[in-house]
Amino acid sequence: GAVVSQHPSRVICKSGTSVKIECRSLDFQATTMFWYRQFPKQSLMLMATSNEGSKATYEQGVEKDKFLINHASLTLSTLTVTSAHPEDSSFYICSAVTAMNTEAFFGQGTRLTVV
Amino acid sequence: QKEVEQNSGPLSVPEGAIASLNCTYSDRVSQSFFWYRQYSGKSPELIMSIYSNGDKEDGRFTAQLNKASQYVSLLIRDSQPSDSATYLCAVTRSSASKIIFGSGTRLSIRP
Repeated sequence: GAVVSQHPSRVICKSGTSVKIECRSLDFQATTMFWYRQFPKQSLMLMATSNEGSKATYEQGVEKDKFLINHASLTLSTLTVTSAHPEDSSFYICSAVTAMNTEAFFGQGTRLTVV
Repeated sequence: QKEVEQNSGPLSVPEGAIASLNCTYSDRVSQSFFWYRQYSGKSPELIMSIYSNGDKEDGRFTAQLNKASQYVSLLIRDSQPSDSATYLCAVTRSSASKIIFGSGTRLSIRP
């Protein structure tokens, strides 16, 4: 399957700081990328859909000013958690699809801990 | 009603037996259906995709789709301890549209 690389895999940050997570499609062009959050023992929750060159579409209840998404190229999307708080601690996962392929391929995930 | 529903489990199956995982979805215009496996602390891994009614087999895995009943299932033959994981059913309407996940079924294969 296609390769999606997510970085960093783990990050610990202080409350009030911002954290940027990168998601790259390594061997294909991703017209659409998705960002998910997963709390322990819970399912993946879609946060936003990111299309290259346009503004992200956020799911209900997700603050767009807090979770900044940039999809500047066909191979890179970034999620920035601004002014992070302990309740933002979670497992963040990106996935990417191509225009031709409905299958989504996932990055390795980022474990964010806000202290 | 949730868009994609799965029994959370845990489903316990003896090693070597067939594990049967079920999923129902609410959106009749859904076109693509996927099964992902997720180990604890890891991101999901695609194991099967199915797009048309009937069965699709890949090794020990068989996906079954019934659009009339809005039902998709995954059978795992000759279950192994390494199959112990959470299995996520996912549904999408069309190419590049958002993928909706079920809450997952935790499968445990007992030796």
